[in-house]
Amino acid sequence: EVQLVQSGAEVKKPGESLKISCKGSGYSFTSYWIGWVRQMPGKGLEWMGIIYPGDSDTRYSPSFQGQVTISADKSISTAYLQWSSLKASDTAMYYCARLNSAYFDYWGQGTLVTVSS
Amino acid sequence: NFMLTQPHSVSESPGKTVTISCTRSSGSIASNYVQWYQQRPGSSPTTVIYEDNQRPSGVPDRFSGSIDSSSNSASLTISGLKTEDEADYYCQSYDSSNWVFGGGTKLTVL
Repeated sequence: EVQLVQSGAEVKKPGESLKISCKGSGYSFTSYWIGWVRQMPGKGLEWMGIIYPGDSDTRYSPSFQGQVTISADKSISTAYLQWSSLKASDTAMYYCARLNSAYFDYWGQGTLVTVSS
Repeated sequence: NFMLTQPHSVSESPGKTVTISCTRSSGSIASNYVQWYQQRPGSSPTTVIYEDNQRPSGVPDRFSGSIDSSSNSASLTISGLKTEDEADYYCQSYDSSNWVFGGGTKLTVL
């Protein structure tokens, strides 16, 4: 069974750094792109970027380029999304999802990130 | 880059049929596959249609997808509406390593 299990909710202060994770199982982790999607409170889905864990090839949405870093450790089947300096506007639910050809076929349960002073 | 525009909300009665549109702002709707995701409150999105009109296993055939090149849009049609279909629905497509979601449509079944 394909599963993507994300790390737990985080509460951070503005200016702090953060790295959240997404662990894949039940399939060949290095053979599928993994994407990250943001959902701000009460808002829609926004594609942030994708990574191919096999060779760490990474693509970013122009809206998120330079704002976050996506990485992966194929030895432990885990993808990451990180911030070096959080802002209140980063408060959102973040989902990872497996990219199957053109679409995201399996999604993680989401990680809620709250940034507040 | 392009945008996908969806109606903010639609509503219909149980047992009826509803269609949600998704219009591509630039580039042909037919040039890249369109997907549809359902998101119930408090849950992760799930795929109900992929590659324009394909249903994942487990999705009932009440859900169907289509594209219309004349209006440069895609549509999700749900027939025989059930209260459990009440959710947010998002269309999604891509080009040049850029994946785009529509703004989402809130479906109310009343």
